[in-house]
Amino acid sequence: AIQMTQSPSSLYASVGDRVTITCRASQDIKNDLGWYQQKPGKAPKLLIYAASSLQSGVPSRFSGSASGTDFTLTITSLQPEDFATYFCLQDYNYPITFGGGTKVEIK
Amino acid sequence: EVQLVESGGGLVQPGGSLRLSCEASGFTFSDHYMDWVRQAPGKGLEWVARSRNKDNSYTTEYAASVKGRFTISRDNSKNSLYLQMNSLKTEDTAVYYCTRDSGGDVYDYWGQGTLVTVSS
Repeated sequence: AIQMTQSPSSLYASVGDRVTITCRASQDIKNDLGWYQQKPGKAPKLLIYAASSLQSGVPSRFSGSASGTDFTLTITSLQPEDFATYFCLQDYNYPITFGGGTKVEIK
Repeated sequence: EVQLVESGGGLVQPGGSLRLSCEASGFTFSDHYMDWVRQAPGKGLEWVARSRNKDNSYTTEYAASVKGRFTISRDNSKNSLYLQMNSLKTEDTAVYYCTRDSGGDVYDYWGQGTLVTVSS
């Protein structure tokens, strides 16, 4: 199974900060990677698909990039509503696997 | 508007069975891959099973942890996805989400989830 190693597992940030979260795949997954935001008790919300494409309706402060097997989610100018858990997902092959999640907390 | 509404969760004893349902609306159900994904309390997400779309003959895939115990199925006339869970174990305790694959190898919609608790 492809392992998705996500880092950091948690971070503290302030409103207005730039935040970067990384997922590293254990093998090539092309760009079959998505980024999601999840708030407590809620279903995950798709932010980025195909590694760098912004889902419709998602603010442009969210962006994704890829370099080989390393994938990055960047939030420029963190907003109060962005404090949540973020995770990546690879759907390149089975089993579909997820990163362990990054909890973004208020500093 | 796309909606996915799960039901059927609850408390069940180890070794028991449960059937989850997911009612879909707002899109052509048969056109999409549909999956079940679960999240144990305080843990990360785990993919459980997939039902492919009409063009792919509704074939299925399973995670190793549930293969032989769980069965995913769909009723396209009712726009519904199911997960029959047999021989349940305590480690199957989780919130189970119904998800829609966008067609681009990503889940673009998730239901709100239904909690399954396996405990004696």
